[in-house]
Amino acid sequence: GAVVSQHPSWVICKSGTSVKIECRSLDFQATTMFWYRQFPKQSLMLMATSNEGSKATYEQGVEKDKFLINHASLTLSTLTVTSAHPEDSSFYICSAREGGPSTDTQYFGPGTRLTVL
Amino acid sequence: GQNIDQPTEMTATEGAIVQINCTYQTSGFNGLFWYQQHAGEAPTFLSYNVLDGLEEKGRFSSFLSRSKGYSYLLLKELQMKDSASYLCAVRDLSGNTPLVFGKGTRLSVIA
Repeated sequence: GAVVSQHPSWVICKSGTSVKIECRSLDFQATTMFWYRQFPKQSLMLMATSNEGSKATYEQGVEKDKFLINHASLTLSTLTVTSAHPEDSSFYICSAREGGPSTDTQYFGPGTRLTVL
Repeated sequence: GQNIDQPTEMTATEGAIVQINCTYQTSGFNGLFWYQQHAGEAPTFLSYNVLDGLEEKGRFSSFLSRSKGYSYLLLKELQMKDSASYLCAVRDLSGNTPLVFGKGTRLSVIA
């Protein structure tokens, strides 16, 4: 199956700093990637849809100026958490769709655990 | 609106069979997915159904009835490592649209 990687897998930062998370599709091109956040024992919450070469589409309640998304190429999307605060501590997961009439599957990266002190 | 329901928790015995149900009400339908998620890890893809019927993959099978807005994931010969959350997700539109996830079913396999 298709492989999606994320980097870093975990990060600890001080309150007020910014953190960048990378999501890469390793063996396929993804015109669209998705960013999710998951708090402990809760379901995935979609944050935004990242489209290659255009602006991301954010879900209601997600601050676009705080969570900056850049989809610079067909294999890379980045999420930058700006001025992070302890309440931003969460598990951030990206996914990419490998399209096609017989596949059409959304594959997830391994996730990035962010802890803001 | 969009609504996906699945049981919150289930417990089953090692070696047994368990069925996890999922019902959905979405504005459109373009496929249903099941994912497995172990604690602290990202979801991994299990199955994809877009037509009615049963899809079998080893110990795991997934069933879909579009007319009833219903799916189930069947796990046979349960192993302790199957203890995880199982997420039902629906794509309501075609194209590069995100999946709509249920809240997940936490399955505990006991000896």
